[in-house]
Amino acid sequence: DAMVIQNPRYQVTQFGKPVTLSCSQTLNHNVMYWYQQKSSQAPKLLFHYYDKDFNNEADTPDNFQSRRPNTSFCFLDIRSPGLGDAAMYLCATSGLKSGNEKLFFGSGTQLSVL
Amino acid sequence: GEDVEQSLFLSVREGDSSVINCTYTDSSSTYLYWYKQEPGAGLQLLTYIFSNMDMKQDQRLTVLLNKKDKHLSLRIADTQTGDSAIYFCAVPGGTSYGKLTFGQGTILTVHP
Repeated sequence: DAMVIQNPRYQVTQFGKPVTLSCSQTLNHNVMYWYQQKSSQAPKLLFHYYDKDFNNEADTPDNFQSRRPNTSFCFLDIRSPGLGDAAMYLCATSGLKSGNEKLFFGSGTQLSVL
Repeated sequence: GEDVEQSLFLSVREGDSSVINCTYTDSSSTYLYWYKQEPGAGLQLLTYIFSNMDMKQDQRLTVLLNKKDKHLSLRIADTQTGDSAIYFCAVPGGTSYGKLTFGQGTILTVHP
């Protein structure tokens, strides 16, 4: 089945140790997003790729970077994780047909920072 | 920017109807969405409504849109324990392609 896959499901890292979260999709969607969701809060958009064009949200910290080597894969890099970066990270895709911003989400990666 | 507000908690008995409400500020939204999130999982698209519609029904789900008041609601008929989850209203916001602004989520608890 076509889907959005995130790996790993749970990630534990140490304070200040770089970590990379992965997302892949078989939907052939041109837009891929990374959202951060802290406990009991709404998902917050960090950035997105429209094809190869990277779009950063104004309030996304520099500590967060992203790479999209091809249509199917997108990575979230956290250069120096702090305790406040512990959260669920959600990858989503969209085909943006007819102005319908219907997003398809992966199951998320729960990041813990020790 | 877009502001989306939801009540935080809703508790119902199994078999009753649930109504989850949402208000938003941006009147230019074309589609409005409801997502469901079960514990520890990603978001699942439940349903959506086009802004020129007042109502959309999809099996047990009914979406009502009052565009004048910028009010969106999700009604779940015959609520089941499996419906217990967090429900997010989402509205397109800003100039970024496909950017959705989510409400803070309504935690629905269904009691047997």
